[in-house]
Amino acid sequence: GNSVTQMEGPVTLSEEAFLTINCTYTATGYPSLFWYVQYPGEGLQLLLKATKADDKGSNKGFEATYRKETTSFHLEKGSVQVSDSAVYFCAISGGSYIPTFGRGTSLIVHP
Amino acid sequence: DTAVSQTPKYLVTQMGNDKSIKCEQNLGHDTMYWYKQDSKKFLKIMFSYNNKELIINETVPNRFSPKSPDKAHLNLHINSLELGDSAVYFCASSLETRSPQQFFGPGTRLTVL
Repeated sequence: GNSVTQMEGPVTLSEEAFLTINCTYTATGYPSLFWYVQYPGEGLQLLLKATKADDKGSNKGFEATYRKETTSFHLEKGSVQVSDSAVYFCAISGGSYIPTFGRGTSLIVHP
Repeated sequence: DTAVSQTPKYLVTQMGNDKSIKCEQNLGHDTMYWYKQDSKKFLKIMFSYNNKELIINETVPNRFSPKSPDKAHLNLHINSLELGDSAVYFCASSLETRSPQQFFGPGTRLTVL
């Protein structure tokens, strides 16, 4: 079956630092890849997505590129803000209709 | 306009009680889901309904019973609540069963004392 592995958190950064959250996956076929963000006390919301190899998803300064050769979809942002503090989930969907989420990575950004 | 709404937002109850959580979506989606998120933020799918029909039923105690009166609503009833049921429960919807993107509700924090 499908699986998603995310780096363990929490990730603690100072404001304006560079962010990378690693995500790798195993899947049959050609899944779509997602990053969801969960702000404190809220539900998950889609941050960005990529539906085929080499696609780059981007939103709010965050980017991730669908790397089929390394089965990865790492999330990056050049300069984080305090307001980016949240839990980030990598997810895949495809083949089986059961969506698969990673375990989430907590990001804490200090002023 | 709220796309996926849940009630209540907080639910505190005693062990052994029966409780329900309601979910409604106004997106016109065909598929709805229930997830359980534990204290470590791990998200586990419980159920999925497509047009009022059950299509996913993961390994969940039969004390949990989903009900979908129409495709815009998916309620979760829990019998004989246990301490381990304490978690945040999220409802979500997607356009169709194989649609990759999901839209989540704000969550219901259930605390069993």
